[in-house]
Amino acid sequence: DVKVTQSSRYLVKRTGEKVFLECVQDMDHENMFWYRQDPGLGLRLIYFSYDVKMKEKGDIPEGYSVSREKKERFSLILESASTNQTSMYLCASLAGSSYEQYFGPGTRLTVT
Amino acid sequence: RKEVEQDPGPFNVPEGATVAFNCTYSNSASQSFFWYRQDCRKEPKLLMSVYSSGNEDGRFTAQLNRASQYISLLIRDSKLSDSATYLCVVNIGGGYQKVTFGTGTKLQVIP
Repeated sequence: DVKVTQSSRYLVKRTGEKVFLECVQDMDHENMFWYRQDPGLGLRLIYFSYDVKMKEKGDIPEGYSVSREKKERFSLILESASTNQTSMYLCASLAGSSYEQYFGPGTRLTVT
Repeated sequence: RKEVEQDPGPFNVPEGATVAFNCTYSNSASQSFFWYRQDCRKEPKLLMSVYSSGNEDGRFTAQLNRASQYISLLIRDSKLSDSATYLCVVNIGGGYQKVTFGTGTKLQVIP
């Protein structure tokens, strides 16, 4: 079974703080994704990575950066957290030959 | 117009009922289509892929209508455990970043 884990289920940070969200997958998948999910807006792609050290912007990359130093780990960084970044953050991975994305349990981030 | 549109619901149906959801997409070049299920406070999980010929998995049937640009999901003999949000997912083409999720349709099956 594919397992995607995220470092925290719930996180509360203050405006201006630097925030790190970590995601680890155990199935040697090439592709990894970061989404945010907001009511009425669905899942929106922030960044994705198709290989170590490779990244591509998604639909809403502003205010975020990512890091993929190892194949199994994909980190999302909020350089200076703002209240409009309060959201559910979901990480996903998939194998190169498939379109089925496997999601982590999500991190609910609140920025106060 | 949104790339992928779904009726948010909620659809409240009694146990045993048949319920159908539609999802419309705007890009006629869309290539791949999926239904994901998301339980409350959980992550989305793939329910089924949608093929041009349609496909069936037990009580669930998915159909694609390219001419009218929509996909559908039919659930027969609804169970309480079917209560969830159903996400329509469309691959617009051109790589994995072109996968677009709908906002979901909420289903509540009532006893």
